[in-house]
Amino acid sequence: RKEVEQDPGPFNVPEGATVAFNCTYSNSASQSFFWYRQDCRKEPKLLMSVYSSGNEDGRFTAQLNRASQYISLLIRDSKLSDSATYLCVVPQESGGYNKLIFGAGTRLAVHP
Amino acid sequence: NAGVTQTPKFRVLKTGQSMTLLCAQDMNHEYMYWYRQDPGMGLRLIHYSVGEGTTAKGEVPDGYNVSRLKKQNFLLGLESAAPSQTSVYFCASSSRTSVFNNEQFFGPGTRLTVL
Repeated sequence: RKEVEQDPGPFNVPEGATVAFNCTYSNSASQSFFWYRQDCRKEPKLLMSVYSSGNEDGRFTAQLNRASQYISLLIRDSKLSDSATYLCVVPQESGGYNKLIFGAGTRLAVHP
Repeated sequence: NAGVTQTPKFRVLKTGQSMTLLCAQDMNHEYMYWYRQDPGMGLRLIHYSVGEGTTAKGEVPDGYNVSRLKKQNFLLGLESAAPSQTSVYFCASSSRTSVFNNEQFFGPGTRLTVL
């Protein structure tokens, strides 16, 4: 089993739609989680952090289910500018240092 | 603040050639990282550094070497390039990390093709 698994998509949705992505992780000891956004041919940038059961920031909601070891990202009222790849990221402790394990990403395409 | 910058942006090499990728950050970050990103795969850590003068191997270190002589710079070297090293390379940096703060700031990437 991969350490971090995501549905690659693409998710094609119209403007205004609500879309949700799931991510599963294998390390049950992980305490915090992240969603990064990566635009086409650009670098990843932090979108949201998830430390407890969930986090909400405007149209974006991240939820964590520790028992099932999955994280979700919900985007409400999708905008054209939301089109990007969303990377699920799980920290992993290694020799006293927290390294990040990246999922392969879920691609979202929002159309008019 | 320029953040994290990378040089060059694009490069085409022939098999067996060598090159160095330069990463610079102006945020006074302790930690720096080199990743590669291939289609259908997540970013994979090549090498990282937790401070000036220190380096450590990541997930896929073979065929690469690194140096961190100055806090703001992290160099990635390919001694003898192979087609399997065709990829997009990202450098990143972060402040001293805790379990609750792992935000990494990425450079714009270097697209490398090895023929």
